[in-house]
Amino acid sequence: GDSVTQMEGPVTLSEEAFLTINCTYTATGYPSLFWYVQYPGEGLQLLLKATKADDKGSNKGFEATYRKETTSFHLEKGSVQVSDSAVYFCALSFRGSTLGRLYFGRGTQLTVWP
Amino acid sequence: DTAVSQTPKYLVTQMGNDKSIKCEQNLGHDTMYWYKQDSKKFLKIMFSYNNKELIINETVPNRFSPKSPDKAHLNLHINSLELGDSAVYFCASSQGLSGASGELFFGEGSRLTVL
Repeated sequence: GDSVTQMEGPVTLSEEAFLTINCTYTATGYPSLFWYVQYPGEGLQLLLKATKADDKGSNKGFEATYRKETTSFHLEKGSVQVSDSAVYFCALSFRGSTLGRLYFGRGTQLTVWP
Repeated sequence: DTAVSQTPKYLVTQMGNDKSIKCEQNLGHDTMYWYKQDSKKFLKIMFSYNNKELIINETVPNRFSPKSPDKAHLNLHINSLELGDSAVYFCASSQGLSGASGELFFGEGSRLTVL
């Protein structure tokens, strides 16, 4: 079935380090791909998205490129800050889905130390 | 104004009790959801309503019953609470089915602890 696999956390980095959180997907057809972020004590919020192959989503210094050939959507940031500490979720959905289902990965906890 | 608001934020109760969590959104969206997040942060959809019509009903015990009195509200009632029901429950909303844009707006969550 359709699913999303994320690298297991937790990920611990020093401020200004480079971040990569891996995400791969299994899906029939061509899904839209998303990264959501959950800050401590809050609900999830959309960070970025890409709706077709080779699209790059970006927001707040984070980037992810939709790679159809490797079925991946890895999240990257060149220089993390303490305020980026959160749980990051990769997700996919299908345009025109009659059920509106969004499939989430298991989440990756990121902790950034000053 | 909070876009998606849930009450209560914290709920501690005994096994066997019945409890409800309420959710309201002021975004004018027509689709609302309940998600359950376990202690390992795994997020699982439970229910989805589109224009007050139930469209997703995952394999959830029938002790869980959603109710949508109108498009702006989706409540979750849980009967005969069990220890395994302890989790954070998130309400979310979207304009149209989330498959179209993928953008869900989440509430802050309701942490349920069953003793």
